[in-house]
Amino acid sequence: SQTIHQWPATLVQPVGSPLSLECTVEGTSNPNLYWYRQAAGRGLQLLFYSVGIGQISSEVPQNLSASRPQDRQFILSSKKLLLSDSGFYLCAWSLGGPQETQYFGPGTRLLVL
Amino acid sequence: AQSVTQPDIHITVSEGASLELRCNYSYGATPYLFWYVQSPGQGLQLLLKYFSGDTLVQGIKGFEAEFKRSQSSFNLRKPSVHWSDAAEYFCAVGAESGYSTLTFGKGTMLLVSP
Repeated sequence: SQTIHQWPATLVQPVGSPLSLECTVEGTSNPNLYWYRQAAGRGLQLLFYSVGIGQISSEVPQNLSASRPQDRQFILSSKKLLLSDSGFYLCAWSLGGPQETQYFGPGTRLLVL
Repeated sequence: AQSVTQPDIHITVSEGASLELRCNYSYGATPYLFWYVQSPGQGLQLLLKYFSGDTLVQGIKGFEAEFKRSQSSFNLRKPSVHWSDAAEYFCAVGAESGYSTLTFGKGTMLLVSP
């Protein structure tokens, strides 16, 4: 069966510090991968998605970037964190096609101070 | 572009009572519709989805949802709520854009009173 991992689970970082969040998927090949941010009362905002290694699409301009160095690895990064980057970050995977279910990881809570 | 509206931010239901969570979408063609549930501090879990066929969809944990094209709605229902159903519920719509990106509503927080 497929599983999705995210780490760390919780992170407290100072403003201006770098960020690296990692997401890995097991049990499937060539998945679509997604990064979402969830802020209180604002639902889920899609940040990036990827349909293959090295292929990244950004949904909103921001202080963050994403990379997919391996088929089942998706990394969310920042060179300098802002206070507004605080939130709950969720990674998800799916097979291709709009009818396919997205399966979510357990999330990373990021607090920028 | 597609959009999803969940008009209720919070809903409180007594344990054992019935539940209906509202979801309205905006999309030109036949949408792909999803309901997800999120427990505090956790990821999202799929409850059910609709993309064709019978407009009444059965999901996990006793939930069901009905697609009504004329009302652009996909409301989630459960006949008898349990305390463990307390969570946040998200409706989402997917588009036939070639990629399976989803647009989520802002969620409805369900509180269950004894």
